[in-house]
Amino acid sequence: AQSVTQLGSHVSVSEGALVLLRCNYSSSVPPYLFWYVQYPNQGLQLLLKYTSAATLVKGINGFEAEFKKSETSFHLTKPSAHMSDAAEYFCAVSPRQGNLIFGKGTKLSVKP
Amino acid sequence: GAVVSQHPSRVICKSGTSVKIECRSLDFQATTMFWYRQFPKQSLMLMATSNEGSKATYEQGVEKDKFLINHASLTLSTLTVTSAHPEDSSFYICSARGAGGTGELFFGEGSRLTVL
Repeated sequence: AQSVTQLGSHVSVSEGALVLLRCNYSSSVPPYLFWYVQYPNQGLQLLLKYTSAATLVKGINGFEAEFKKSETSFHLTKPSAHMSDAAEYFCAVSPRQGNLIFGKGTKLSVKP
Repeated sequence: GAVVSQHPSRVICKSGTSVKIECRSLDFQATTMFWYRQFPKQSLMLMATSNEGSKATYEQGVEKDKFLINHASLTLSTLTVTSAHPEDSSFYICSARGAGGTGELFFGEGSRLTVL
């Protein structure tokens, strides 16, 4: 069975600071991993995905994530936060063609 | 990327009425669609998996007679909330997966249902 744990329901950073959102997964098979972003009253937008190619994945809006099998982690980072990055972020794991299993989400706040 | 459109984005209805939400894949054929419910400040809860041409598969605890799902074509799935009550008020989101691909889901914009 697959599961996802997002450490920290709320992360606050200053504008220009490093963004680090943590995600650990559990999977009995090689997983696909995803990060999605959700703005208020909107659906989810894919930031990036890992599908067993390069372990360092670059996504949209300057975000990237690194798949670390030994740590079962897929943390999301961005070198410099912008005000527009304030949103809810969801990590998800998929058993290939099955449904996505989402973490509980991390709300990112960016202070001016 | 692929586009999934949901309609309506917001709906307000009286208790006891039924509401239909549409989910369309605009530029690809979606063999499988998923319906989620999201409570305030919480993650997405999978309600059901909708497969084109067959009955939907509901998650445990989801009333199939209350949340009717129809996936009659490769580009359209509908969720009908029957005899809605205030506790059905929520944000409903659909997603779709095309044939092939890498497991990625494409999400609709969501539909905010308020039952008075």
